[in-house]
Amino acid sequence: GENVEQHPSTLSVQEGDSAVIKCTYSDSASNYFPWYKQELGKRPQLIIDIRSNVGEKKDQRIAVTLNKTAKHFSLHITETQPEDSAVYFCAASKGGSTLTFGKGTMLLVSP
Amino acid sequence: DAGVIQSPRHEVTEMGQEVTLRCKPISGHNSLFWYRQTMMRGLELLIYFNNNVPIDDSGMPEDRFSAKMPNASFSTLKIQPSEPRDSAVYFCASGLAVLGEQFFGPGTRLTVL
Repeated sequence: GENVEQHPSTLSVQEGDSAVIKCTYSDSASNYFPWYKQELGKRPQLIIDIRSNVGEKKDQRIAVTLNKTAKHFSLHITETQPEDSAVYFCAASKGGSTLTFGKGTMLLVSP
Repeated sequence: DAGVIQSPRHEVTEMGQEVTLRCKPISGHNSLFWYRQTMMRGLELLIYFNNNVPIDDSGMPEDRFSAKMPNASFSTLKIQPSEPRDSAVYFCASGLAVLGEQFFGPGTRLTVL
């Protein structure tokens, strides 16, 4: 089955800095890669996703890149703000099947 | 759009009692997922329904857990009898199978004493 590795497990940055979270996947047939943000005590929320037919997608301060050859994808957050502090999960799936989640990255943005 | 609705939001029960968690998926979605989240084990998929049919229940911990989806707008997850190690946050998520997206409900925080 699919295996998703996520790094780092924790990431501390200063407000205004950029943050990058990286994930690798094992199944070359995977074609859908979402990112979820989970604030303390809240539900995971889908913040951005990418499909295997594109290499990069942006939405304001967040972007995701995908390298199919290397089987890795990354989340980039620019101009970080304290409200970006949360746990971020990457995931992978193929053909609309179940998502395989990474173990999460706790992002702390200090003012 | 009301999003995925779960009830109750919090449940405190004693060991041995039956617990029933409820979920109403987003209208029009044909996939429904039940997850369990704990600090130790992270986010675990328990069961996945497609068009109301259970497709993958390999994540259901043991026979004490059962899930049903009698129609497209309702699903239940039942634990009988409950044990302290079942304490966790249980999330329901729904989506369109062809797209692969999943949208999570607010979760039910279960505490078994």
